[in-house]
Amino acid sequence: GQNIDQPTEMTATEGAIVQINCTYQTSGFNGLFWYQQHAGEAPTFLSYNVLDGLEEKGRFSSFLSRSKGYSYLLLKELQMKDSASYLCAALDSNYQLIWGAGTKLIIKP
Amino acid sequence: DGGITQSPKYLFRKEGQNVTLSCEQNLNHDAMYWYRQDPGQGLRLIYYSQIVNDFQKGDIAEGYSVSREKKESFPLTVTSAQKNPTAFYLCASKGIRETGELFFGEGSRLTVL
Repeated sequence: GQNIDQPTEMTATEGAIVQINCTYQTSGFNGLFWYQQHAGEAPTFLSYNVLDGLEEKGRFSSFLSRSKGYSYLLLKELQMKDSASYLCAALDSNYQLIWGAGTKLIIKP
Repeated sequence: DGGITQSPKYLFRKEGQNVTLSCEQNLNHDAMYWYRQDPGQGLRLIYYSQIVNDFQKGDIAEGYSVSREKKESFPLTVTSAQKNPTAFYLCASKGIRETGELFFGEGSRLTVL
């Protein structure tokens, strides 16, 4: 079956760095997405990786290892507004998205 | 501004009633999707449409129906056959690239009383 695993909840301190991991098992693979979702709001796109390696975009970076079926989202210089859920989703061979349950990130002052 | 508009944002329904959620986009996207989101679970696909007058069932289509008469519009009807309809419903669209990101509406929260 197809499956995405990510931690349910993480806590970090304002100004620090946090890494949110995601492992995936899909039938075929056409890339991995990260979305941010504030409570009661729509998810917004953060990143897309299809090749191995790290992609940096401001305070946020996303890493992919296709051989390990693994990705992480790295958030630097955490701000209170980064408190949100972070959704990992893999694109399978039919270009359908398989979603993880999301990681709720709590930022403490 | 281009985007996706869902309405209503909040909706209360009595058991046994059908309800229709609206989704309109002005992004000129061909593909549109309906997802359901429950606490502690990932987004689950209800229906999707890649072209006008055509749509496919997702993983949890039972108790739901859709139509795609216009490119801009993809309404979702939650029927009385849906056993547990209380949830947060998200509409999304995607452009021509298969690997393109989804653009989401603000969501509709349905509560069955």
